[in-house]
Amino acid sequence: DIQMTQSPSSVSASVGDRITITCRASQGISSWLAWYQQKPGKVPKLLIYAATSLQSGVPSRFSGSGSGTDFTLTISSLQPEDFATYYCQQANSFPFTFGPGTKVEIK
Amino acid sequence: QVQLQESGPGLVKPSETLSLTCTVSGGSISSYFWSWIRQSPGKGLEWIGYFYYSGSTNYNPSLKSRVTMSLDTSKNQFSLKLNSVTAADTAVYYCASGSTWNYFDYWGQGTLVTVSS
Repeated sequence: DIQMTQSPSSVSASVGDRITITCRASQGISSWLAWYQQKPGKVPKLLIYAATSLQSGVPSRFSGSGSGTDFTLTISSLQPEDFATYYCQQANSFPFTFGPGTKVEIK
Repeated sequence: QVQLQESGPGLVKPSETLSLTCTVSGGSISSYFWSWIRQSPGKGLEWIGYFYYSGSTNYNPSLKSRVTMSLDTSKNQFSLKLNSVTAADTAVYYCASGSTWNYFDYWGQGTLVTVSS
């Protein structure tokens, strides 16, 4: 199985901050990567797929980059509704696997 | 807009079979790939497997020997059976779908299944 790691595990930030979350795959996955946002008690929501493609309806302050083994999710200007946990998921090979999550908290 | 709703027992005894159904509305069950994903505090998000109406399937090897997925196109439902459950199978179970087999656009609200005697 491809192992996914994320860093940091949590980050404290203020509204308006720019934050970057990193995801690393244990082997190359080309651009087969997705990012999901999950708020407490809610369902994961697809934000980005194919490493850089924004899912319909997702604000443009979210962006993704990377290929191979190293990927990033950037939120350019953090909004109150963005405080959540973010997960990456490799979509390259079975079984699909998720990272452990990065919790974005209010400073 | 596709909407998914899981249903099934919230409590299952060890060694028994966990059975869940996902009812699909707002879309044809033959138009998407259907997956089950579970989430537990100890193991995070875990993909269980997918099923496509053509019969194409793929299950997580860690669960493959215990998992069966099926579609009922007449009822627009997607089902999961996981047998010989243990406490380690306690989790929130989500059904999810996507226009491809590897990204999950739509999720059900999730159903907590506890394995306990």
